[in-house]
Amino acid sequence: AQTVTQSQPEMSVQEAETVTLSCTYDTSESDYYLFWYKQPPSRQMILVIRQEAYKQQNATENRFSVNFQKAAKSFSLKISDSQLGDAAMYFCAYNDMRFGAGTRLTVKP
Amino acid sequence: DVKVTQSSRYLVKRTGEKVFLECVQDMDHENMFWYRQDPGLGLRLIYFSYDVKMKEKGDIPEGYSVSREKKERFSLILESASTNQTSMYLCASSIRAGGAYEQYFGPGTRLTVT
Repeated sequence: AQTVTQSQPEMSVQEAETVTLSCTYDTSESDYYLFWYKQPPSRQMILVIRQEAYKQQNATENRFSVNFQKAAKSFSLKISDSQLGDAAMYFCAYNDMRFGAGTRLTVKP
Repeated sequence: DVKVTQSSRYLVKRTGEKVFLECVQDMDHENMFWYRQDPGLGLRLIYFSYDVKMKEKGDIPEGYSVSREKKERFSLILESASTNQTSMYLCASSIRAGGAYEQYFGPGTRLTVT
């Protein structure tokens, strides 16, 4: 079975700086999708970014980008110019049903 | 916008009670999911459904059952609630099966079993 590992339970970043959240996964499949979701405090979880494994180009969405290393089975999320509204739990997911334990991101003003 | 709603934000039940958690989505999505979210464990899949009256076990189905009589509604049932089922329960939907599609989540139900 596929597993997703987020090794950083908590991370902290200064406002306007850059932070990278780590995610590794284990799979024997060659085609799959990877996701980062954001869960703000007391609010619904929403999609941040999606990566298709057959695409070598890293996905980007405004200040959010990923570093996808297929051979290493690594899928990190970079948040640039961090804002107070980025404070949340971030979950890495493999396909549509396999989630990591999450990383709580704190943004310091 | 896709909207996924859950019947309660907070619920307190006693050990042994039968508990129903309801989830409704308004975008004609084929897939629906139930997860429980616990600190340090992330989201764990309880059950999912690809279509009306269809259900598949996830990673932790023990102690739970589900019902999907209509496409827009997916219910999670705790047959006899126990204290180890105290958790946050999240419902989600996606347009169709295949792993490629974004999930849309409800606000969650925080269930406490005393």
